[in-house]
Amino acid sequence: NAGVTQTPKFRVLKTGQSMTLLCAQDMNHEYMYWYRQDPGMGLRLIHYSVGEGTTAKGEVPDGYNVSRLKKQNFLLGLESAAPSQTSVYFCASGGRGLGYEQYFGPGTRLTVT
Amino acid sequence: ELKVEQNPLFLSMQEGKNYTIYCNYSTTSDRLYWYRQDPGKSLESLFVLLSNGAVKQEGRLMASLDTKARLSTLHITAAVHDLSATYFCAVETNRDDKIIFGKGTRLHILP
Repeated sequence: NAGVTQTPKFRVLKTGQSMTLLCAQDMNHEYMYWYRQDPGMGLRLIHYSVGEGTTAKGEVPDGYNVSRLKKQNFLLGLESAAPSQTSVYFCASGGRGLGYEQYFGPGTRLTVT
Repeated sequence: ELKVEQNPLFLSMQEGKNYTIYCNYSTTSDRLYWYRQDPGKSLESLFVLLSNGAVKQEGRLMASLDTKARLSTLHITAAVHDLSATYFCAVETNRDDKIIFGKGTRLHILP
């Protein structure tokens, strides 16, 4: 049982490049979330999903796209990276059964130069 | 739009003292979360509070929720150095299932 995993752990991009961050969970959770964490800003919700095939915008969705084609995976895409997207990205998943807990992945540190 | 405010944002305290972190939020919610984050690490779930009046305790930490006042507190009893970390509260909106975080409280406990 790996919990929530994120790929890659680190990445450096040049401005204008694209990339996809992968989040995978093996807990059969319905809900999945992408956050970014910047110093002094806490965690800000980018996009989230309440089930396979669904996505919704969070607080800071501009410049990002997401897909949830399979229940266990939640992909975050940057089509044209900008230096303002330099951040640590966290994925989380959660259920709606007994616990309501949210489980976080280890994070991806992205630098855009 | 849901706003979540934590205070204080930074707290330096002596071992053995008690203190409380406050989390205020702006819209109706029945679910509130507390997390701990150590430097360079991911977030660890501490408490999930699911109803008005909910109180949960784990060791020296106790969390409570007052949905009428839109306020949650995280109380630290007889602090020890190992509790030094950043603590976040997060609130789930009733309307659309978003989970929004506060900016975090950086807690530094002096030995």
